[in-house]
Amino acid sequence: DIVMTQSPDSLALSLGERATINCKSSQTVLYYLAWYQQKPGQPPKLLIHWASTRESGVPDRFSGSGSGTDFTLTISSLQAEDVAVYYCQQYYSTWTFGQGTKVEIK
Amino acid sequence: QITLKESGPTLVKPTQTLTLTCTFSGFSLSTSGVGVGWIRQPPGKPLEWLALIYWDDDQRYSPSLKSRLTITKDASKNQVVLTLTNVDPVDTATYYCAHRHLTTFDAWGQGTLVTVSS
Repeated sequence: DIVMTQSPDSLALSLGERATINCKSSQTVLYYLAWYQQKPGQPPKLLIHWASTRESGVPDRFSGSGSGTDFTLTISSLQAEDVAVYYCQQYYSTWTFGQGTKVEIK
Repeated sequence: QITLKESGPTLVKPTQTLTLTCTFSGFSLSTSGVGVGWIRQPPGKPLEWLALIYWDDDQRYSPSLKSRLTITKDASKNQVVLTLTNVDPVDTATYYCAHRHLTTFDAWGQGTLVTVSS
């Protein structure tokens, strides 16, 4: 199994600040990396696939980068509606998720 | 518009077999490249991928649960069924089904909470 490790586990920032979430895989996943947003009581929502391709309708303040084993999700200017848990997921070899990063407003 | 909905029991006793059905619309599981997967999430915990079935009946399973899982499809009924044998309280979770095409899971059901308890 490919293990995905996210950091930090939680993040509290002020509105308008930049949020950065890191994701590391235990072996290369090339660019087969997705990011999901999950709000309380809701299923996950796909934000980004192919490491940096935004899904249709996802605000451009969300961006993804990286390849190989190290990836980053950036929210350029945190909004109240971005409060959620964010998961990275590899789909290079079946599918595995990171443990999640909780983003809150300070 | 793609929609998926999970159905099944809300309470299962330990050692029993859990059977969940995913009923979907807006796509065909006969289309090349399409798959339907199952993912679960214990309360307050991360997501865990369980199984996936492709349009051509190819099945993939989580290595840690492979011996207990079976995934099947009925493309004519737009349904995918997941069975999990010998359940334990640690299997208590919200179970999601999701659509996969070309990349990863781009549409999800709302999920169904299954509690394993005697």
